Amino acid sequence: EPEVTQTPSHQVTQMGQEVILRCVPISNHLYFYWYRQILGQKVEFLVSFYNNEISEKSEIFDDQFSVERPDGSNFTLKIRSTKLEDSAMYFCASSDPHVGVNTEAFFGQGTRLTVV
Amino acid sequence: AQTVTQSQPEMSVQEAETVTLSCTYDTSENNYYLFWYKQPPSRQMILVIRQEAYKQQNATENRFSVNFQKAAKSFSLKISDSQLGDTAMYFCAFEGGGATNKLIFGTGTLLAVQP
Repeated sequence: EPEVTQTPSHQVTQMGQEVILRCVPISNHLYFYWYRQILGQKVEFLVSFYNNEISEKSEIFDDQFSVERPDGSNFTLKIRSTKLEDSAMYFCASSDPHVGVNTEAFFGQGTRLTVV
Repeated sequence: AQTVTQSQPEMSVQEAETVTLSCTYDTSENNYYLFWYKQPPSRQMILVIRQEAYKQQNATENRFSVNFQKAAKSFSLKISDSQLGDTAMYFCAFEGGGATNKLIFGTGTLLAVQP
């Protein structure tokens, strides 16, 4: 069964450093997403990406964040200068929404980011 | 703006019994989708069940079923014959009919299945 894969599973970084979280969405999917879950809290939408551009972003997704699809398979989330409050689980998801067929988002297993 | 509310932070059920998790939402849209996701201790997000708002029939997936009340904006999850492996955090999620298909999650209900 196709799945979304994320690497690394756990990343520890120094405050102020840049991190890149990587995702390989399901190959025939068209929409890509990043979500964040701070420990013990709900899952929050960060950004959606379609047709090589951001289609929507939340208030959380400020200038420190960026997304990119550098090739035909990878989808990355970059945090330029990490802060302690960026520590969270980051989930990548993808979907292939067609009206009346399937709008299910498939999630990766997550990357746990720890900023120290 | 759409909101999703899960009023039960924690629930407990005996193995083989039935439990119902509550979820309400607020939206002005007429076409949308509702989901229940399971998050076990591994923290992976696993889709449990999906409901399209335009369908009156409640969705079922094996031991999992929903009670979708569109007028009341209620979307509860019923787990029958609970198993130890059902122990997890359960999130209710809303997806509008707009272009981005983003999910809005509730705060979750931690379900513990007791042996």
